[in-house]
Amino acid sequence: GENVEQHPSTLSVQEGDSAVIKCTYSDSASNYFPWYKQELGKGPQLIIDIRSNVGEKKDQRIAVTLNKTAKHFSLHITETQPEDSAVYFCAAPSTGGGNKLTFGTGTQLKVEL
Amino acid sequence: DTGVSQDPRHKITKRGQNVTFRCDPISEHNRLYWYRQTLGQGPEFLTYFQNEAQLEKSRLLSNRFSAERPKGSFSTLEIQRTEQGDSAMYLCASRLQGSGNTEAFFGQGTRLTVV
Repeated sequence: GENVEQHPSTLSVQEGDSAVIKCTYSDSASNYFPWYKQELGKGPQLIIDIRSNVGEKKDQRIAVTLNKTAKHFSLHITETQPEDSAVYFCAAPSTGGGNKLTFGTGTQLKVEL
Repeated sequence: DTGVSQDPRHKITKRGQNVTFRCDPISEHNRLYWYRQTLGQGPEFLTYFQNEAQLEKSRLLSNRFSAERPKGSFSTLEIQRTEQGDSAMYLCASRLQGSGNTEAFFGQGTRLTVV
């Protein structure tokens, strides 16, 4: 089945700096890669996603890059703000269809003033 | 609020008791998913429905777990004879299958504590 690995597990940056979170996946047939942000006590919220027919997608301060050959994708947050502090999860479609997702283990991002 | 709604938000139960959680998806969404999330981990797939049909169950879903979506709208997840290992956040997600958009929206979750 699909295996998603995510690193780092924790990331601390100064406000205004950039943050990068990386994920790898195992199933070369995977074609959709969402990123979720989860704040304490809340459910995951989709912040950006990318399909396998593009290599990069940007939405304001957030961007995602995809390298299909290497089977890895990354989340880039620029000009970080304290409200960006949360746990971020990458995901990929699980083997077997149904559009269910296999998630990474999460990255705790802390943006310090 | 037109997002995915879950009830209750928190549940504390004694070991051996039965519990039931409810999920109300986004109204036009035909796919509904249940996930379980333990501390420090990402969500893990449990089961999903296409309208009222339960199409897949994960091996994580022991025979003490049962899920229903009787009218293709809200869904319930029941855990019988709860064990301490069932303590987790239970998340519901929904999406519109067939729209070409694979976005899944999650609810706030039900946090279960078995004591």
